[in-house]
Amino acid sequence: NAGVTQTPKFRILKIGQSMTLQCAQDMNHNYMYWYRQDPGMGLKLIYYSVGAGITDKGEVPNGYNVSRSTTEDFPLRLELAAPSQTSVYFCASITGEGGNTIYFGEGSWLTVV
Amino acid sequence: QQQVKQSPQSLIVQKGGISIINCAYENTAFDYFPWYQQFPGKGPALLIAIRPDVSEKKEGRFTISFNKSAKQFSLHIMDSQPGDSATYFCAASIRNTGFQKLVFGTGTRLLVSP
Repeated sequence: NAGVTQTPKFRILKIGQSMTLQCAQDMNHNYMYWYRQDPGMGLKLIYYSVGAGITDKGEVPNGYNVSRSTTEDFPLRLELAAPSQTSVYFCASITGEGGNTIYFGEGSWLTVV
Repeated sequence: QQQVKQSPQSLIVQKGGISIINCAYENTAFDYFPWYQQFPGKGPALLIAIRPDVSEKKEGRFTISFNKSAKQFSLHIMDSQPGDSATYFCAASIRNTGFQKLVFGTGTRLLVSP
């Protein structure tokens, strides 16, 4: 039981490039989230999903896209990377069946230069 | 109204001392208040959480105090240890059949000196 797994852990992108951050969970959780964490700013919700095929925007969705084709996977796509997207990205999940604990991955450090 | 304000930004406490971190919220619809602990290079992990129907919850050395009328809650770490050195985030959400959309505070970096 690996929990929430994110890849890659570190990535440097050039301005205008695109990439996908991968996220997988093996806990059969219904709900999944993507957050970004900037220094001194806490965590901001980018997108979330309440089940396969269903996604919705969070607080800071601009410049990102997501998909949820399976319960396990919730990739985050960055299109046309900008320096403002330099951040640490966390994927998370929760069971949705009365559980209280949101489980976070270990994070993906992204630098856009 | 969706903000959660957290203070202080950083805190240095001697080993054995009490660490206190405070949070305040505006949205009275929030009904779940967790605290997350984050070590460098790791994701946040749930530490302790409280619902607004109780004023205090204690788990080991960690206690949440909740003041519903003041819309404030705080984390107390008793007998603070160097291993407690981490960043702590308060959060709030409206629980809806298991789904949580957490609003996070800005974090407090705690350093416990030996």
